[in-house]
Amino acid sequence: DARVTQTPRDKVTEMGQEVTMRCQPILGHNTVFWYRQTMMQGLELLAYFRNRAPLDDSGMPKDRFSAEMPDATLATLKIQPSEPRDSAVYFCASGLVLKIWSSGNTIYFGEGSWLTVV
Amino acid sequence: AQKVTQAQTEISVVEKEDVTLDCVYETRDTTYYLFWYKQPPSGELVFLIRRNSFDEQNEISGRYSWNFQKSTSSFNFTITASQVVDSAVYFCALIRTSGTYKYIFGTGTRLKVLA
Repeated sequence: DARVTQTPRDKVTEMGQEVTMRCQPILGHNTVFWYRQTMMQGLELLAYFRNRAPLDDSGMPKDRFSAEMPDATLATLKIQPSEPRDSAVYFCASGLVLKIWSSGNTIYFGEGSWLTVV
Repeated sequence: AQKVTQAQTEISVVEKEDVTLDCVYETRDTTYYLFWYKQPPSGELVFLIRRNSFDEQNEISGRYSWNFQKSTSSFNFTITASQVVDSAVYFCALIRTSGTYKYIFGTGTRLKVLA
């Protein structure tokens, strides 16, 4: 049963520390998304990649967040330095997104990385 | 602008009641996909259904059914004979066409099914 895998599941860190979250998309999927979920903002799109190329990272605070996809099996989201307001659940999702009328275009989420910055 | 509105923030029902979760969307595109996802208390987001904009047939899957009406830009979700295990946050989402691949999510509806 293919699924998106995220690590770590839970992370507590001190303000100012670097945090790296990793995501292994479903094999064969060409598009990877990073979302952040908070009570106040709901699900926010931070960045996404298509065929490993970054398409849009406008939802991400540029000064401290960075997202990369070093290869087709790994996407990373890094926060440096972390701040308490970054505390949230970070979801990675992947999908086979082709022409809009293909049989794909459904994105599947990982279990999330629960980040607490104290 | 693309937008998905789930006006119901929280709904509570007693087990075995039917419940409908509303989703209203805005888009200028004529072709698009709509989705429903479920987020149980454990936190993961689970895909439930996808519907394209040319397919207005209602769909039923067990106790779940979906009503898509382009005329009112709505894609409502009904759970029949609700169960405690249906307690979750449910998200409606829209993907637009025109070359971007952004999925626009609503703010979610928290459903509480009481025993």
